[in-house]
Amino acid sequence: DGGITQSPKYLFRKEGQNVTLSCEQNLNHDAMYWYRQDPGQGLRLIYYSQIVNDFQKGDIAEGYSVSREKKESFPLTVTSAQKNPTAFYLCASSEPRGAGELFFGEGSRLTVL
Amino acid sequence: AQSVTQLDSQVPVFEEAPVELRCNYSSSVSVYLFWYVQYPNQGLQLLLKYLSGSTLVESINGFEAEFNKSQTSFHLRKPSVHISDTAEYFCAVSNTGFQKLVFGTGTRLLVSP
Repeated sequence: DGGITQSPKYLFRKEGQNVTLSCEQNLNHDAMYWYRQDPGQGLRLIYYSQIVNDFQKGDIAEGYSVSREKKESFPLTVTSAQKNPTAFYLCASSEPRGAGELFFGEGSRLTVL
Repeated sequence: AQSVTQLDSQVPVFEEAPVELRCNYSSSVSVYLFWYVQYPNQGLQLLLKYLSGSTLVESINGFEAEFNKSQTSFHLRKPSVHISDTAEYFCAVSNTGFQKLVFGTGTRLLVSP
């Protein structure tokens, strides 16, 4: 079955450590996205990529970094510069000439102790 | 810039009662509209979408939403809810020229027996 796989599902880290969240898709979609979800704030866009080797900052990119070396993969690194990294992180993808409909992974919950 | 307003953060309702979850958007251009559903600790799933044509769109599990251009609204309704409909519901909008979705802050639907 085609879909988006995020790992790990749950992650605990100490303050000051960088962590990388994995996102892999086999939908053959060109565009991929990372969102952060906090209670009562909905989804906020961190980074997005419309094509391999290219990505753009979203609304809350500070303290995060991404890479897009392969079409299938769009990992997100939460750096020590992110002041409040504890959140639920969602990866998504979309068809390049579609209406913007997003297909989501199951999410990764990061807790910084 | 586009924005989406979901005025109700939480809607409690009894099983088999009707429900309406409100969504208003602001945009100066033509839009695509979406409703997503999220169950606890999971990603978002597309519930229904309006792209063009009939202003009333339906999902396979009994939800419907009506696009009202004059009121810039896309309210979600169900005539009789089930316990299993308990979830968080997100309204989202994208313009027809670019695919980046903008999400509302979500409405938590709580169905009790």
